[in-house]
Amino acid sequence: QQQVKQSPQSLIVQKGGISIINCAYENTAFDYFPWYQQFPGKGPALLIAIRPDVSEKKEGRFTISFNKSAKQFSLHIMDSQPGDSATYFCAASIGTGNQFYFGTGTSLTVIP
Amino acid sequence: DSGVTQTPKHLITATGQRVTLRCSPRSGDLSVYWYQQSLDQGLQFLIQYYNGEERAKGNILERFSAQQFPDLHSELNLSSLELGDSALYFCASSAFWSSYEQYFGPGTRLTVT
Repeated sequence: QQQVKQSPQSLIVQKGGISIINCAYENTAFDYFPWYQQFPGKGPALLIAIRPDVSEKKEGRFTISFNKSAKQFSLHIMDSQPGDSATYFCAASIGTGNQFYFGTGTSLTVIP
Repeated sequence: DSGVTQTPKHLITATGQRVTLRCSPRSGDLSVYWYQQSLDQGLQFLIQYYNGEERAKGNILERFSAQQFPDLHSELNLSSLELGDSALYFCASSAFWSSYEQYFGPGTRLTVT
């Protein structure tokens, strides 16, 4: 059973556009929601993360929107660039230092 | 570069064999996590060690085992290998067992033939 459901599976965006990736979860005990970026041949790299006590977190061109009542969170990449082309994973964890439950990943391609 | 190192980068072996994957966490990190990434299962948590002790267990097969040594490096042992064990194996580390942030290594690609 997939604890975190991620969509879309793939996404193609024009340079300068907004990329939006969505994730949904069922377990209300989750209290940490990171997004990871993975380039081919590399390990996932922490991009941005949010806790459920805030509805939005922004770091540069990357924003997480969090809807606790809907049990959904999303990653918005503003002014998308070809260098943003990668696979993005959402994840969730319960408590500190515990296992991450990852979404299935979204392959983002930004066309110049 | 996350500061987490993994060796080897690639490993090709035959069914029934045993392999050992090695991970060195970021300097100062006490917690190590192992993940398996396959096309059909995605990224799956296997096991966590903190300062030498097992802290959490995920979808780890009985044929797999891990340990963390006094110098904090960790090894993942995979035995009686099957074709389905072919995957990318990632190690991640965090400062404490109570840390939220995990930093991933570059992975070891295991191919079982």
